[in-house]
Amino acid sequence: NAGVTQTPKFQVLKTGQSMTLQCAQDMNHNSMYWYRQDPGMGLRLIYYSASEGTTDKGEVPNGYNVSRLNKREFSLRLESAAPSQTSVYFCASSESITDQGLIYNEQFFGPGTRLTVL
Amino acid sequence: QQPVQSPQAVILREGEDAVINCSSSKALYSVHWYRQKHGEAPIFLMILLKGGEQKGHDKISASFNEKKQQSSLYLTASQLSYSGTYFCGTTATYSGAGSYQLTFGKGTKLSVIP
Repeated sequence: NAGVTQTPKFQVLKTGQSMTLQCAQDMNHNSMYWYRQDPGMGLRLIYYSASEGTTDKGEVPNGYNVSRLNKREFSLRLESAAPSQTSVYFCASSESITDQGLIYNEQFFGPGTRLTVL
Repeated sequence: QQPVQSPQAVILREGEDAVINCSSSKALYSVHWYRQKHGEAPIFLMILLKGGEQKGHDKISASFNEKKQQSSLYLTASQLSYSGTYFCGTTATYSGAGSYQLTFGKGTKLSVIP
């Protein structure tokens, strides 16, 4: 049971290049997320997919696109990379659980991708 | 809006206690606490829901004051393994799109020294 996996672990791009970050989970979760983490900024939500077949914008979606390929996989694409997109990218997944009328939504994170755009 | 965490950093000796606070300017449904060690992924600690009970496991517990829109994380008798950056994440609603959008604070760096 690998949990949430991400590839690649590290990537260096030149300005204007494109790339896709891959994420997969084996926990049969319905929801998946992409975050970026910058020093001193905490985690910021880029896009999320509440369930297979749906995607929605988060707090910082500009410059990114996503694809929910199937229930397991959720990819993040940078069409034309910019230095401002240098960051650590985390994928996460979750399943909502209802207990006594309250809804729990614990998110599990992957190991991250360190992206540098020159 | 991003929740505000305090303090930004704290240094403890083993065995000491610490409190990390998280406050929001808007009404909250849930508060999530995560710990992240350097170079690693955030790890879920606990979730507190509006109308729910105070949570805890081992020597880490948390409370949620719905009226003040604040949550506090309590670490008692700290161990070296508690070192890391602690983040709170909040949601404003319990259903629909908002229930999936966690807004994280900037983090509190906790260092436990021998």
